[in-house]
Parts: sequence; structure tokens; C-alpha cells
Amino acid sequence: KQEVTQIPAALSVPEGENLVLNCSFTDSAIYNLQWFRQDPGKGLTSLLLIQSSQREQTSGRLNASLDKSSGRSTLYIAASQPGDSATYLCAVGDSGSARQLTFGSGTQLTVLP
Amino acid sequence: SAVISQKPSRDICQRGTSLTIQCQVDSQVTMMFWYRQQPGQSLTLIATANQGSEATYESGFVIDKFPISRPNLTFSTLTVSNMSPEDSSIYLCSVSKYNEQFFGPGTRLTVL
Repeated sequence: KQEVTQIPAALSVPEGENLVLNCSFTDSAIYNLQWFRQDPGKGLTSLLLIQSSQREQTSGRLNASLDKSSGRSTLYIAASQPGDSATYLCAVGDSGSARQLTFGSGTQLTVLP
Repeated sequence: SAVISQKPSRDICQRGTSLTIQCQVDSQVTMMFWYRQQPGQSLTLIATANQGSEATYESGFVIDKFPISRPNLTFSTLTVSNMSPEDSSIYLCSVSKYNEQFFGPGTRLTVL
């Protein structure tokens, strides 16, 4: 059974810093990996989707990498802003037909002004 | 992408009652998913709902407790039956489109 771990559980940084969030998974036979953002009490916003054949994806100040063989992904946030404060969730899509997602427990990010 | 709406956005219910949550998508999709997010926890998949067939439930979730309907390709409902305080959670529906999943805003349920 796939298990997804995110480190650290919480992170507090001053505005302007670059930061890295980590995600690891136990079964490398994945279809894809998604990074989501969740604001308190809200639903999830998809940030980046990486297919299993890809190494990285970029969107604005966000860059996500995938190393399937080692079971790791990172989300890099450049020049962090207070508006980036949220919980960031990593989710791994399985290779079955339903493409079910297994979620990590999230990293709660606080960017201090 | 996909735009998903859920009703209600939040509710406070009494123990022993049932609540039906609606999920509407702005386009036709084959698969819809229902998740639960307990306080301070990550998301756990309840079931996968395909149009025209019975929902597939994950381990620990049963149809009698969480009946699901999927009458067409843009709509689904999840009922939380005979509720107890342990059912207090955010319930989210999601859809898979072009192998990317999109989520609704969630329904925050509090059971007293």
C-alpha cells in the first residue's frame, strides 16, 4: 500500500526567502504526482502536476521535481510572500485505472511579513 | 480544468440524523471521488463513483453509512447517515480530468 510522507510538518520563514518542501513515497510505480495548496477551512487548489515520465514542472515562482526511482518529490517556492501561507499537500496518483490519489499529511507554511 | 461546486458549504447537525452533500461539475467527467478530511488530518478517500455503476468504497467505509448516487456525468451526492460526532469533518468531492484531479470547496460538517 502506498504511503506518502511530507517533511517538515510545519515551516515558518521570513518573506522573500526561497524554500523547499519535501515529499516521499514508498511505491515508485506511480502514474503521476500532484502538489496542492489548501487554505484554512477551504478546498484544494491544484498547483502542479508531474507525470511519471517527467522530471519537473514549473509555474511562476513554483517548481516541482520528481525522482521516481528514489520515491521523492520537492516543491520549490522562490521569493516567498505572506500570501503563500497555506498547507501544501503532495498526492501520488496510482497506476491503476482509477488514478486514485494517496495524500501526504501536508506541510503548513507560514511566511512572515 | 474543472469547476466544482458543493452544497451545503457547511452544516451543523444533530447526532443520529443524516446529511446529503451535493457535488456539481461544469463538464462531463467519468470518475468522481469523495474524500473526508478529519480535523487536523490529511485527506482520506471514501469512494470512487462512476456514472451508471455502484460506487467503489475504500477499506473502512461502507455503503450503509455513506451511500452515494451518481445519476449523470456532472452530478453526485454523498449521504452521511446516522451521524455521530466522529463524522465531523470536511467532505470534498473531486473529479479526474486529463489525469489531473480537481477539488470542490468542501462541505464542513459539525455533528453535535
